[in-house]
Amino acid sequence: GEDVEQSLFLSVREGDSSVINCTYTDSSSTYLYWYKQEPGAGLQLLTYIFSNMDMKQDQRLTVLLNKKDKHLSLRIADTQTGDSAIYFCAESIGDNYGQNFVFGPGTRLSVLP
Amino acid sequence: NAGVTQTPKFQVLKTGQSMTLQCAQDMNHEYMSWYRQDPGMGLRLIHYSVGAGITDQGEVPNGYNVSRSTTEDFPLRLLSAAPSQTSVYFCASSSSRTFAGELFFGEGSRLTVL
Repeated sequence: GEDVEQSLFLSVREGDSSVINCTYTDSSSTYLYWYKQEPGAGLQLLTYIFSNMDMKQDQRLTVLLNKKDKHLSLRIADTQTGDSAIYFCAESIGDNYGQNFVFGPGTRLSVLP
Repeated sequence: NAGVTQTPKFQVLKTGQSMTLQCAQDMNHEYMSWYRQDPGMGLRLIHYSVGAGITDQGEVPNGYNVSRSTTEDFPLRLLSAAPSQTSVYFCASSSSRTFAGELFFGEGSRLTVL
């Protein structure tokens, strides 16, 4: 079945760049997503990329998509302590409007002062 | 601006007890779903609904029931709680009108089964 993999932990120093990586299996996904979960809260959409794009930039966030290798990455520039959270990679599967998602296990980002 | 509301936020059950986790959304979304979150395993889909009166199973449906009598509400029932159902449960909603199929999540319900 469909599977999304990502490393579980990442630590960076404040001000450095963070890169969170993800691999997925369903090549027919229309969108690929990054969701952010802050402590004690639900997930919120951070950014997404359409499957026919290679890169998307949104302020401090850069998403890179390599469809050949089924690899997605999220780069956070100038990482701040407020970026400490769990980041989930997700792909939408099925024919309808992303109604079924497969989530990775989440990468816990710790930002050290 | 309520969005997706889940109750209760915390619950402790004994093995064999039953309970219902409530989920309500005020965005008129046709799609609703329940996930469970376990450490190192991400979110796994339990059940979902594409509209009132229509439900279907996800990846891990055993031990759970759902119903969708209205667009707004999507309760999740645990029939006979087991320690393996100790988890954090999230309700989510979406719509064909939602840009890029974004899922909107509730704040979660933490369930402990003793």
